[in-house]
Amino acid sequence: AQKVTQAQTEISVVEKEDVTLDCVYETRDTTYYLFWYKQPPSGELVFLIRRNSFDEQNEISGRYSWNFQKSTSSFNFTITASQVVDSAVYFCALSEAYSSNTGKLIFGQGTTLQVKP
Amino acid sequence: DAGVIQSPRHEVTEMGQEVTLRCKPISGHDYLFWYRQTMMRGLELLIYFNNNVPIDDSGMPEDRFSAKMPNASFSTLKIQPSEPRDSAVYFCASSDPGTGNSYNEQFFGPGTRLTVL
Repeated sequence: AQKVTQAQTEISVVEKEDVTLDCVYETRDTTYYLFWYKQPPSGELVFLIRRNSFDEQNEISGRYSWNFQKSTSSFNFTITASQVVDSAVYFCALSEAYSSNTGKLIFGQGTTLQVKP
Repeated sequence: DAGVIQSPRHEVTEMGQEVTLRCKPISGHDYLFWYRQTMMRGLELLIYFNNNVPIDDSGMPEDRFSAKMPNASFSTLKIQPSEPRDSAVYFCASSDPGTGNSYNEQFFGPGTRLTVL
């Protein structure tokens, strides 16, 4: 069965600290996609990144970086030098390519990140 | 592009009333998704369409919920009769399979905050 687990419900850091949000997934498909979305206090869901199961290269985008490890079924998200504007709920999600769930996103429960000034 | 458009943004109604939520996907997107977000249950996929055809409605809570997509640019989610436990934020999202890839990122609308008194 497909499942996404974000064990950290809430994280609080002080500005400029680095923070890592954990994501562990379960799937039987060999081809799948992983996503991170951000939901700021305004409520909209903003796409951050997509990764396919065949590409384990880590990715960096500015202060954001993602570490994908198939061996541990994890897709962790790190924010370097956090800022107050990073305060949001972050969702990890999984989409399977060839199962009956094709097209669906399975979301984790989300991690609420609070960055204090 | 205007993005995914949802209306109304806020809806307050009384128990027993019919509620209709509306969504206009991004032009050219073949997939349309309806989600519900609550504190207790997080983000839940209710139903999704591919080329206006419902593919999976297993997330629809009960017969009081129905969704339609009469054309590629419009979808509705109807609740009749509404109950207080239906209070939630309802999101619509769309995605573009591109070259047959059905797991591209989903673009979310701003959501409709529904309150049933």
